[in-house]
Amino acid sequence: TQLLEQSPQFLSIQEGENLTVYCNSSSVFSSLQWYRQEPGEGPVLLVTVVTGGEVKKLKRLTFQFGDARKDSSLHITAAQPGDTGLYLCAGAHNYGQNFVFGPGTRLSVLP
Amino acid sequence: KAGVTQTPRYLIKTRGQQVTLSCSPISGHRSVSWYQQTPGQGLQFLFEYFSETQRNKGNFPGRFSGRQFSNSRSEMNVSTLELGDSALYLCASSYRDRVGSAEQFFGPGTRLTVL
Repeated sequence: TQLLEQSPQFLSIQEGENLTVYCNSSSVFSSLQWYRQEPGEGPVLLVTVVTGGEVKKLKRLTFQFGDARKDSSLHITAAQPGDTGLYLCAGAHNYGQNFVFGPGTRLSVLP
Repeated sequence: KAGVTQTPRYLIKTRGQQVTLSCSPISGHRSVSWYQQTPGQGLQFLFEYFSETQRNKGNFPGRFSGRQFSNSRSEMNVSTLELGDSALYLCASSYRDRVGSAEQFFGPGTRLTVL
């Protein structure tokens, strides 16, 4: 089983700060996804990346897929309390295979 | 378009009992996947159904089973419940049959507590 690791496990910051969370694996993924999950809800897909080196932006969120397609990062600029939640990365090795999820980074943005 | 719905939202059972959880996917989605989420193990894949057939399966014991109906609705069954089965059970639907499309949409989950 190829595992995904995420760091940090927990992160508490003040509103307005920037942050980066990481997703790493020793395996190559054909695609990688980032989700945000809020308490009492299911995960919500933020982005899918498929090309090594790819960078995608979603408002204040910037996602990068590593050149070797083994790692990814999520950078949030000027974090807001609404960004609070559990950030999960998930990778699939081949199209049609189920996604493997990382343990998540629990982010708390304090007003 | 309505999202993925799961029923019930909360469930309390005792050890040894069995439970059935239900998931209604987004209209037009034929793939339904089930996941177990616990604080210690995170989100783990149980199985995926596509057009009434189990297409992928995770590493869970045979006590965990599922099925999918012709309208794509899916049920998951857990027999002989154990304390460790307490978790949030999530259902996700997707097109999955389109090349390049693997986006999953998750339901709110069923919180199962085994006493």
